[in-house]
Amino acid sequence: DQQVKQNSPSLSVQEGRISILNCDYTNSMFDYFLWYKKYPAEGPTFLISISSIKDKNEDGRFTVFLNKSAKHLSLHIVPSQPGDSAVYFCAASGKTGANNLFFGTGTRLTVIP
Amino acid sequence: ETGVTQTPRHLVMGMTNKKSLKCEQHLGHNAMYWYKQSAKKPLELMFVYNFKEQTENNSVPSRFSPECPNSSHLFLHLHTLQPEDSALYLCASSQDLAAGGNEQYFGPGTRLTVT
Repeated sequence: DQQVKQNSPSLSVQEGRISILNCDYTNSMFDYFLWYKKYPAEGPTFLISISSIKDKNEDGRFTVFLNKSAKHLSLHIVPSQPGDSAVYFCAASGKTGANNLFFGTGTRLTVIP
Repeated sequence: ETGVTQTPRHLVMGMTNKKSLKCEQHLGHNAMYWYKQSAKKPLELMFVYNFKEQTENNSVPSRFSPECPNSSHLFLHLHTLQPEDSALYLCASSQDLAAGGNEQYFGPGTRLTVT
């Protein structure tokens, strides 16, 4: 059973607008969450992370929000740029087996110029 | 070379063949990982090595055999694979196995097709 879920396989957004990618998890033991970005023919690259002791982490145009009670996190990209078009993976890890990252299936973001 | 490299990038093999995937990291990391990504499925962790020692084997069939001769190199030896083993195999590395903050750096992957 998947412990990390990304229910939207794809998302299209106009350039300059906000992109919101969502992720849900089921394991309350997860305490660290990451977003990875993947271009075709490349491996995933780390984008931004958040610890469970926080509810928001911002890095430039990228902000991750964590709602622990809802077991939900989201990635906001604003303003969206065509170069942001990629597949975005949400991942989570816990204190035990911290080396084990659980990934979602990814959301393909297309930013339309 | 920088980051994490993987060779070959594409591999087609028959079910009776033996082949190996190679991964090399140039980041000075101590932990290395093999993942499998099948179509429309999340990345699945296969093996973890920390300081050359295997710390995790996620119930992977014995037809997949990892080898870590040093902290910079990781191999995945393949033999008598099945067509359902066709997938993208990704290698990753991280500084260590610290709890939380486990930012892993990925290679580009090897696209494996078993015929």
